[in-house]
Amino acid sequence: EVQLVQSGAEVKKPGESLKISCKGSGYSFDSYWIGWVRQMPGKGLEWMGIIYTGDSDARYSPSFEGQVTMSVDRSISTAYLQWSSLKASDTAMYYCARHLYGGNMEDAFDMWGQGTMVTVSS
Amino acid sequence: DIVMTQSPDSLAVSLGERASINCKSSQSVFSSIHKNNCLAWYQQKPGQPPKLLIYWASTRESGVPDRFSGSGSGTDFTLTISSLQAEDVAVYYCQQYYSIPATFGQGTKVEIK
Repeated sequence: EVQLVQSGAEVKKPGESLKISCKGSGYSFDSYWIGWVRQMPGKGLEWMGIIYTGDSDARYSPSFEGQVTMSVDRSISTAYLQWSSLKASDTAMYYCARHLYGGNMEDAFDMWGQGTMVTVSS
Repeated sequence: DIVMTQSPDSLAVSLGERASINCKSSQSVFSSIHKNNCLAWYQQKPGQPPKLLIYWASTRESGVPDRFSGSGSGTDFTLTISSLQAEDVAVYYCQQYYSIPATFGQGTKVEIK
């Protein structure tokens, strides 16, 4: 079965670091762009950025550049999203998603992870 | 960034009736490279991740019921549900993927009247 499985919910304090994961299975993981999408509580979808799993080429939305870091470990078919210093405003659901056509940088997301809820509170 | 604006923000439609959602982009999303409009539609039900319904503005994703259709070109697009079913209650988002950053509309909530 083709799927993306994300790591579990996290509760952190402001200033702490965090790395969440997204593991792909059932397809050729290193031939697709993987994106990250933020959804703040009760709000809409925000495109954060994409990373090509074949060579770790990453493109960020200006809104998120410098705030988060995307990475990939091809040996375990896993993509990551990390923060070095969390803020309360980072509280949100974070989804990873795969591009429909593997090599297209500009593409729709055809498969989504189940989401990782990140709560940042003192 | 390309701004995507959906209308209406919410709508209530009777079961079996037609529902239409509009999406307007701040600039054309037609790609001469792909010879297609880089516009997708997603459905998100409560507590679930989004699900791809339509891409290239009018191509239905595999497994999506044919009551869902997409139309439009350039800057103006429409998602139509030809005969609303109870299971279609959800929030619907358009997304342009013509340029990075890709951007989503604000969402349209569809309910049963």
